[in-house]
Amino acid sequence: ETGVTQSPTHLIKTRGQQVTLRCSSQSGHNTVSWYQQALGQGPQFIFQYYREEENGRGNFPPRFSGLQFPNYSSELNVNALELDDSALYLCASSDQGKETQYFGPGTRLLVL
Amino acid sequence: LAKTTQPISMDSYEGQEVNITCSHNNIATNDYITWYQQFPSQGPRFIIQGYKTKVTNEVASLFIPADRKSSTLSLPRVSLSDTAVYYCLVGMVDRDDKIIFGKGTRLHILP
Repeated sequence: ETGVTQSPTHLIKTRGQQVTLRCSSQSGHNTVSWYQQALGQGPQFIFQYYREEENGRGNFPPRFSGLQFPNYSSELNVNALELDDSALYLCASSDQGKETQYFGPGTRLLVL
Repeated sequence: LAKTTQPISMDSYEGQEVNITCSHNNIATNDYITWYQQFPSQGPRFIIQGYKTKVTNEVASLFIPADRKSSTLSLPRVSLSDTAVYYCLVGMVDRDDKIIFGKGTRLHILP
């Protein structure tokens, strides 16, 4: 059973650019959640996808968008990057209706 | 999801038992209690989950009183490698539900 993987591990962008982060869910999991974690803070929920549809969203602007594919992998897209978007972006997979989430190692994004 | 309150930080020594308590006064009937551990620059790792009374696994124990308004994560005989941030979550990963991590408890194990 493979765990949750994310790519890339690190990324540097400049303000105004766009970025796409990728996540492969754990085998057998149909739900993917994305989180943003600033330094010294707990993870902040961005949104969740279940069977290719958005299934809940946190307090993030529309420039944060996502996709889930038929194989349950997922992408997080951020447009018009701002300096405050610099953070660790975490992906977690789970089975819908189960409370346990399995997190990937994260993507460290730096916006200059 | 029910809001949770945990101590911001704790210190302990190697070989000691560490108990971290989480308050969740607004827990709902169907809510489970889940604890995660996070090391720097890594994703959180599931430790333990419970609904009531006591749950034990190879890593930790979770104690939940009858009113379920709090829970205590117990780590037996901690080592330096247990230095991490510990998060308590309450609720269901469900449709239209926000998943809320607090700031967690920074546990520092001293030699």
